[in-house]
Amino acid sequence: DSGVTQTPKHLITATGQRVTLRCSPRSGDLSVYWYQQSLDQGLQFLIQYYNGEERAKGNILERFSAQQFPDLHSELNLSSLELGDSALYFCASSVFPPANTGELFFGEGSRLTVL
Amino acid sequence: GENVEQHPSTLSVQEGDSAVIKCTYSDSASNYFPWYKQELGKGPQLIIDIRSNVGEKKDQRIAVTLNKTAKHFSLHITETQPEDSAVYFCAARGNTPLVFGKGTRLSVIA
Repeated sequence: DSGVTQTPKHLITATGQRVTLRCSPRSGDLSVYWYQQSLDQGLQFLIQYYNGEERAKGNILERFSAQQFPDLHSELNLSSLELGDSALYFCASSVFPPANTGELFFGEGSRLTVL
Repeated sequence: GENVEQHPSTLSVQEGDSAVIKCTYSDSASNYFPWYKQELGKGPQLIIDIRSNVGEKKDQRIAVTLNKTAKHFSLHITETQPEDSAVYFCAARGNTPLVFGKGTRLSVIA
């Protein structure tokens, strides 16, 4: 158990809909990262937050948004869903500030299926 | 930005044999190179990492080598066991969050 909690574990929805994925980082971790895992693209970095502020952005679509709340949990919002958004979405947390290296602790992921 | 290439995408070995997975990266500013193991239904988990001031690091049956000049690093698993079967990801980090390779599915055949 990594200490990172993601909900829901599975989600099935229709095209055009909007969903919210939730992540609770390990106790004490200030950085939260979101990654998308699809079969052919591996782990793609979406976005990072550090202590409530956005710190880095990767290949995140404009239809997607995220935020980190004062209690450090984070939410990833996916809107106007398309079939191609079906994937496993991972949240990870780390104790280090963004400028330093360090281990990422991954949750077990939220599997999104868009029909 | 950083780009990490990983080979092979699938690898099958007999139990007891060695497995080698290779990665290349593009950003010369990258200075941290971890390897993650992902078992079925789980999130990736760090198994070993190496920093740019070190050429090789070993932890029991697992070793990682780094060649900064050539911008490549490798994972070596010796005396493979069935529980080593998983997907392995290399990653690189410099001024951006970790960029992962596309993964290698390792199957250890008993």
